[in-house]
Amino acid sequence: AQSVTQLDSQVPVFEEAPVELRCNYSSSVSVYLFWYVQYPNQGLQLLLKYLSGSTLVKGINGFEAEFNKSQTSFHLRKPSVHISDTAEYFCAVSPRRAGNMLTFGGGTRLMVKP
Amino acid sequence: AAGVIQSPRHLIKEKRETATLKCYPIPRHDTVYWYQQGPGQDPQFLISFYEKMQSDKGSIPDRFSAQQFSDYHSELNMSSLELGDSALYFCASRLQNTEAFFGQGTRLTVV
Repeated sequence: AQSVTQLDSQVPVFEEAPVELRCNYSSSVSVYLFWYVQYPNQGLQLLLKYLSGSTLVKGINGFEAEFNKSQTSFHLRKPSVHISDTAEYFCAVSPRRAGNMLTFGGGTRLMVKP
Repeated sequence: AAGVIQSPRHLIKEKRETATLKCYPIPRHDTVYWYQQGPGQDPQFLISFYEKMQSDKGSIPDRFSAQQFSDYHSELNMSSLELGDSALYFCASRLQNTEAFFGQGTRLTVV
């Protein structure tokens, strides 16, 4: 079984400041890692993914994340946030087997203030 | 590009009624997932299908059932609806070990 912990339920930050949203996971098997963003009353949109290769992955909207196997972490970062980045962010993991489900963390609400 | 299509987008039902939610995955995707998201909560996995066979089962109540048809679309059937079933229901599809793509969701309100 897998579990995902997002350490911060809410992260307030001023516009143009950097931000890091933390994600830790536990799993007895190798996993794929994802970050999804959800705007109010909308579906989940993929920000970025780690499947293999370089541990630093870049996604849409200027976000990036780094996979750290020893710390079982996959923190999301952006060097300068915009008001439009205000949303709920979900970290998710999936075992490396076809058909396996995604397990989500509890979500982090990013609130960008002017 | 084609996305995951869910219908209806909004549904209002009374207690003890039944509801059927439909999901049309991205063409050639081999896996379909159903998730339930309550207000202010993270998505909770209900059930998944891989190549039209049930592959994983999560916290899906016995009152709910789901199936995937020969054309790969999936339906989530919910009976004896309760107020607590009010939530956003997402369908997602995936090809092998790539990322899952989510639909816009069906917002079910039970009154």
